[in-house]
Amino acid sequence: DADVTQTPRNRITKTGKRIMLECSQTKGHDRMYWYRQDPGLGLRLIYYSFDVKDINKGEISDGYSVSRQAQAKFSLSLESAIPNQTALYFCATSDLPGGTETQYFGPGTRLLVL
Amino acid sequence: TQLLEQSPQFLSIQEGENLTVYCNSSSVFSSLQWYRQEPGEGPVLLVTVVTGGEVKKLKRLTFQFGDARKDSSLHITAAQPGDTGLYLCAGPSEEGSNYKLTFGKGTLLTVNP
Repeated sequence: DADVTQTPRNRITKTGKRIMLECSQTKGHDRMYWYRQDPGLGLRLIYYSFDVKDINKGEISDGYSVSRQAQAKFSLSLESAIPNQTALYFCATSDLPGGTETQYFGPGTRLLVL
Repeated sequence: TQLLEQSPQFLSIQEGENLTVYCNSSSVFSSLQWYRQEPGEGPVLLVTVVTGGEVKKLKRLTFQFGDARKDSSLHITAAQPGDTGLYLCAGPSEEGSNYKLTFGKGTLLTVNP
C-alpha cells in the first residue's frame, strides 16, 4: 500500500463550488505539505503543517484553506473554485533524517475547474 | 526567497545518448536534492548532496554539488526510455523557524527509443 494517498485522483468541478482534497499518510511523519504544479511554473507551496496544531501559509495560499485533522490527515479546501485553480495538486510528508529533509509525495490530484 | 534555476527546461534525446542538466542559484544552499517525477506520479527523491564538490553516483546517473554550494548538475550516461520524466532540484529554505524546501521548475526529459 502507498505511504501517502490522495483522494480523489481526478476531479472536475464548476466555478464557485467548494471542494476538498484529502491526503492521508502512514509514514508517521509530523510534517505535511500541499503543493500545486502548473506547466512551466514548477511546484509551488500552498500550505504546510509541522504538527497537528501548526498551520502555515505558503507562497500561494490565497483562495485555499487547510485542516490538519490528525497527524496522518491533511485536507486542502477550495472555498469557491475558480478556473485558474485548475492544476495538479500534490500532498507531501517529510522527516528530517540527519537534518536533511526528504519529502515523500502522494500520486497527485488532477483538478479541472470549469 | 532563495531561487533555483534549472536548465534546459526541455530536453529530447535518443536512447544511448549522454546528457547533463543543471540547477543554479545565486544563494548558497546547505544541501541540494534531485527528484524525478514520472508521468501520473509524484516526485521521488533520487539523491541528496550536502558537501561542496561532492559527487554521487546512482547507476548511470552522476550528481555533483558545486564547490561553492550554489549549483548542482545531473549527468546521465547512455540514457534509456525509462529515464524519461521531470527532473526537479530542491534546496532547503528557512523563514524564521520554519524550514521547508524550495523547488526549481524542472527539466522535462524525453528519451526516445
